[in-house]
Amino acid sequence: GAVVSQHPSWVICKSGTSVKIECRSLDFQATTMFWYRQFPKQSLMLMATSNEGSKATYEQGVEKDKFLINHASLTLSTLTVTSAHPEDSSFYICSARRTSVTGELFFGEGSRLTVL
Amino acid sequence: QQQVKQSPQSLIVQKGGISIINCAYENTAFDYFPWYQQFPGKGPALLIAIRPDVSEKKEGRFTISFNKSAKQFSLHIMDSQPGDSATYFCAASGGFKTIFGAGTRLFVKA
Repeated sequence: GAVVSQHPSWVICKSGTSVKIECRSLDFQATTMFWYRQFPKQSLMLMATSNEGSKATYEQGVEKDKFLINHASLTLSTLTVTSAHPEDSSFYICSARRTSVTGELFFGEGSRLTVL
Repeated sequence: QQQVKQSPQSLIVQKGGISIINCAYENTAFDYFPWYQQFPGKGPALLIAIRPDVSEKKEGRFTISFNKSAKQFSLHIMDSQPGDSATYFCAASGGFKTIFGAGTRLFVKA
């Protein structure tokens, strides 16, 4: 299957700092990428849809000023958690849609964020 | 209309047994039904997927059964192995929307 790389796989930061997570599609172009948050033993919660060259579309209840998403190229989307607080600690996962096949999503390895 | 209901929440199966996970959807506009496998601390990985024009798809030990009229689909894992112990998510996709089930935690006893 297609490869989506997510970096870093884990990060620890102090409260009030910002953290950037990268999501790259390594062997295909992805005009659309998605960012999810996953709490322990729960399903994936879609945070936002990232479209190359345009503004991200955020799900209801997700603060767009706190979770900044940039999709500057067909292979890279970034999620920046600004002014992080302990309640932002979570597992963040990205996925990329391979446009040649409708519906097919490939996920990154996930990033574990811990805010102290 | 956007929900995907997945059951059971957890499942314990003996090694060599059959694991069965069920999902039901409501929106008939969905046209792609994947199953994802997720190990702790990792992102989900696409396991197998089906489109509504077929009733069954088999890949190795994994089979999807699809019932379009009932709006249900299921994952069967034959000859379940301890290495299959993971969380499984079904999903339903239509257009640019993908809705995930709540997940099933499978534990295969050696």
